[in-house]
Amino acid sequence: GESVGLHLPTLSVQEGDNSIINCAYSNSASDYFIWYKQESGKGPQFIIDIRSNMDKRQGQRVTVLLNKTVKHLSLQIAATQPGDSAVYFCAEGQNTPLVFGKGTRLSVIA
Amino acid sequence: DGGITQSPKYLFRKEGQNVTLSCEQNLNHDAMYWYRQDPGQGLRLIYYSQIVNDFQKGDIAEGYSVSREKKESFPLTVTSAQKNPTAFYLCASSMTSAYNEQFFGPGTRLTVL
Repeated sequence: GESVGLHLPTLSVQEGDNSIINCAYSNSASDYFIWYKQESGKGPQFIIDIRSNMDKRQGQRVTVLLNKTVKHLSLQIAATQPGDSAVYFCAEGQNTPLVFGKGTRLSVIA
Repeated sequence: DGGITQSPKYLFRKEGQNVTLSCEQNLNHDAMYWYRQDPGQGLRLIYYSQIVNDFQKGDIAEGYSVSREKKESFPLTVTSAQKNPTAFYLCASSMTSAYNEQFFGPGTRLTVL
């Protein structure tokens, strides 16, 4: 069954605001996590990853936070733009193929 | 241009027919994967291969078959035994099967008529 899930299936955000997408995971042995972005009709694109020896990792306009105590992962997008509208998936893994959550749809309101 | 390609983009088949989806990568990756995605759903693993001439079943392998005769290629056959084959199929590859980003192809949308 699913070991990765999301708190919010849809998220609407005003352009220019920050977005926070959450993800819960149930496998405490997972030690590698990735966020992907999928636009309609396309394959997922890598956004950012994080290993379990880190709590935070930053990329360009994106930050991933990992809280191992409560098995929670979040993706923060700064200054959300219309091009950020997509479905976002978190995925977890260890020495095995990734397990994907169901995804959150981010809708940016202009 | 390095990348992973899938063909065709759209595929139609009649019930009872087998169909093969192509996946090719020129990234020199050892591991390759096939996922199925249904509307509004996440990705479910069908099969994966960690090395040439070897592959393992994923969560939903029934009704599907694969081969990995070459490092670059990992074709997926959807057989007539698959009860609900209409879906979006995604192929991915990674350097190894652990602790590595997976690169995805553009997907093939299969519709059974």
